[in-house]
Amino acid sequence: GQNIDQPTEMTATEGAIVQINCTYQTSGFNGLFWYQQHAGEAPTFLSYNVLDGLEEKGRFSSFLSRSKGYSYLLLKELQMKDSASYLCAAMDSNYQLIWGAGTKLIIKP
Amino acid sequence: DVKVTQSSRYLVKRTGEKVFLECVQDMDHENMFWYRQDPGLGLRLIYFSYDVKMKEKGDIPEGYSVSREKKERFSLILESASTNQTSMYLCASTIGDSSGANVLTFGAGSRLTVL
Repeated sequence: GQNIDQPTEMTATEGAIVQINCTYQTSGFNGLFWYQQHAGEAPTFLSYNVLDGLEEKGRFSSFLSRSKGYSYLLLKELQMKDSASYLCAAMDSNYQLIWGAGTKLIIKP
Repeated sequence: DVKVTQSSRYLVKRTGEKVFLECVQDMDHENMFWYRQDPGLGLRLIYFSYDVKMKEKGDIPEGYSVSREKKERFSLILESASTNQTSMYLCASTIGDSSGANVLTFGAGSRLTVL
């Protein structure tokens, strides 16, 4: 079967760095997405990886290892506004998205 | 600013009622999707549409139907609402090319409670 695993909840301190991991098993693979969702709001796109390696976008970076079925989202210089859920989604060979349950990130001052 | 607009943010309905959830996008996107989001579960695809008047079942279509009469509008219909359909419903759209990097634009969601 197809599935995505990510931690349910993480806590970090303002100004610190946090890494949110995601492992996936899909039938074929056409890329890995990360979305951010603040409570009561729409998910918004953060990153897309299809090749191995690290993609950096400001304070946020996303890493992919296709051979290991593994990705992580790295958030640096954490701010209180980064408190949100982070959704990992893998795209299978039919271009259908398989979604993780999301990781709720709590930032403490 | 591109937008996906869901007409109702909060609805409370009774068991057996017919429920319409409306979604409109202003980006001229070909593809539109309806998901439901429940605590502890990933987003689950109910239905999607690649073109006007076309619809495809997702992972959990039972108890739902959809309508896409115009490109910009995708409606989700619960013919006879049940309590297990209490959920957050998210509409999304994306352009129609076949590349993998199709970024979804989501609406703010419609929280439905069925009593």
